[in-house]
Amino acid sequence: DGGITQSPKYLFRKEGQNVTLSCEQNLNHDAMYWYRQDPGQGLRLIYYSQIVNDFQKGDIAEGYSVSREKKESFPLTVTSAQKNPTAFYLCASSRYSGGYNEQFFGPGTRLTVL
Amino acid sequence: QKEVEQNSGPLSVPEGAIASLNCTYSDRGSQSFFWYRQYSGKSPELIMSIYSNGDKEDGRFTAQLNKASQYVSLLIRDSQPSDSATYLCAVFRGRDHGMNYGGSQGNLIFGKGTKLSVKP
Repeated sequence: DGGITQSPKYLFRKEGQNVTLSCEQNLNHDAMYWYRQDPGQGLRLIYYSQIVNDFQKGDIAEGYSVSREKKESFPLTVTSAQKNPTAFYLCASSRYSGGYNEQFFGPGTRLTVL
Repeated sequence: QKEVEQNSGPLSVPEGAIASLNCTYSDRGSQSFFWYRQYSGKSPELIMSIYSNGDKEDGRFTAQLNKASQYVSLLIRDSQPSDSATYLCAVFRGRDHGMNYGGSQGNLIFGKGTKLSVKP
């Protein structure tokens, strides 16, 4: 089955810890994205990547880091510098970047800071 | 002015009725428009995309776009209880339109969503 997978489904972090969220896709999509969703808020873009070994900051990149070493994978690290990391994290991909390309989402990771 | 605005609802309709969900956007240069459905606790699922003025129909769903009025809507005919969810409007804004978009320039901007409840 083609699709986007994210792991883990739930993640608990102690304050001061860095954690890494996994996102993998087998759709052969060039572009991948990370969003954050808070209750009552729209999705906000953290980072995106249009091609392997390249990525750009979104609206709320502070306290996060990413890598894109393989086309299929776009992991997100939530660092201790992120002041309020508790949120629902969503990874998405699209065939190409740009406005006429539909984005499809993975199942999400729910991160809670203890 | 918020870039993509939706009424948060809840919008309550009886089973079998037409549900009408609305979305306005602020950037006249926006190129493409998407509707996602999100069930509670789940990730968004793409249900419609529309790129040109007019109507686009797909099964019980119709998306309507009016670029002059900067308005996009989603109609759900014969609403079912299984349609109860939050519907997210997303707008792709292009680059270089004289506005400071920050890091999301050239990407999707999401509204906060409208919660729809279909009563049996």
